[in-house]
Amino acid sequence: KQEVTQIPAALSVPEGENLVLNCSFTDSAIYNLQWFRQDPGKGLTSLLLIQSSQREQTSGRLNASLDKSSGRSTLYIAASQPGDSATYLCAVRGSGSARQLTFGSGTQLTVLP
Amino acid sequence: EPEVTQTPSHQVTQMGQEVILRCVPISNHLYFYWYRQILGQKVEFLVSFYNNEISEKSEIFDDQFSVERPDGSNFTLKIRSTKLEDSAMYFCASRLYSSYEQYFGPGTRLTVT
Repeated sequence: KQEVTQIPAALSVPEGENLVLNCSFTDSAIYNLQWFRQDPGKGLTSLLLIQSSQREQTSGRLNASLDKSSGRSTLYIAASQPGDSATYLCAVRGSGSARQLTFGSGTQLTVLP
Repeated sequence: EPEVTQTPSHQVTQMGQEVILRCVPISNHLYFYWYRQILGQKVEFLVSFYNNEISEKSEIFDDQFSVERPDGSNFTLKIRSTKLEDSAMYFCASRLYSSYEQYFGPGTRLTVT
């Protein structure tokens, strides 16, 4: 059964700092990996999706990398802003018979002004 | 920008009652999903739906749950006889046939008393 772990559980940084969020998964047989942002009491906003054949994806100040063989992904946020404060979730989609999204528990990010 | 909508935003019901949670996916999307998030826990997959039938479901999605696409726009989740442990945030998501990126609604908070 796929397990997704995110480290750290919480992170607090001063505005302007570059930061990295980590995601690891136990079963490397994935179809893709998706990073989401969740604001308190709200839904999930898709940030980036990386297919299993890709190594990275970029969108603005966000860069996500994927090392499928080692079961790891990172989300790099450049020049962090207070508006980036949220919980960041990663989710993997299996490639076998279980093609559902399996989520990590998230990293709660606080960017201090 | 098109978005997934969900109603109601908050539903309070008594144990044993039936509830129907409603979702309007993005109009040209063909795959639909329900997830739940118990307070403080991970987002969990419930069910996926395509071409008017369930394509995948988790072990959480037992006989108490059902999904339906009653018309061309709505996608519903019914819980027949709610239990206290059904209290959670329920998210609907949808995606295009050609892309695996899932778009989530804002969620319905279900409180079972």
